Amino acid sequence: DIQMTQSPASLSASLGETVSIECVASGGISNDLAWYQQKSGKSPQVLIYDANILQDGVPSRFSGDGSGTRYSLKISGLQPEDEADYFCQQSYKYPPTFGAGTKLELK
Amino acid sequence: EVQLVESGGGLVQPGRSLKVACVASGFTFSNYDMAWVRQVPTKGLEWIASISTGGDYTYYRDSVKGRFTISRDNAKNTQYLQMDSLRSEDTATYYCARQRVYYGLSYFDYWGQGVMVTVSS
Repeated sequence: DIQMTQSPASLSASLGETVSIECVASGGISNDLAWYQQKSGKSPQVLIYDANILQDGVPSRFSGDGSGTRYSLKISGLQPEDEADYFCQQSYKYPPTFGAGTKLELK
Repeated sequence: EVQLVESGGGLVQPGRSLKVACVASGFTFSNYDMAWVRQVPTKGLEWIASISTGGDYTYYRDSVKGRFTISRDNAKNTQYLQMDSLRSEDTATYYCARQRVYYGLSYFDYWGQGVMVTVSS
């Protein structure tokens, strides 16, 4: 299975700040990567797919980048509603695998 | 509006069986692959199984292969997960998810609210 190593495990940031979350795959995944947001007590929602395509309805302050084995999610101008857990997921090879998640807290 | 509503969770003893269902609405169910993803409390997400649009093809993670069966009834807009020989490590929230295929990659673009399955004596 392809392992997805996500970092950091948690971070704390202030309103308006810009933060980045990284996922490193154990092998090349050819941009077959999605990012999800999961708010407390809710189900996950997709933010980005194909490494950098914004899902319909997702604010443009979310962006994705990367290639090969290293991918990142950037949130620019943090808003209160961005406090959540974030996960990456690869679909290059079965089984689809997820990163362990990043807990984002607003100061 | 796309909606996925799971049902059938609960408390079950180790070694016993449970079947969870997911009713879909707001889209043409037969046009989409579907999947089940689970989440252990306070831990990460784990893909369990996927099924093709017509149900001809199914895929499972190794740890559930031979114990779990994914199926669908397109006439009822419903997918199922039959879980047999349950183990304590199967305790999790089980999510129904619509699986979108985009130029070879696939991701989960809609999720249900989840159903809790607890395996304990």
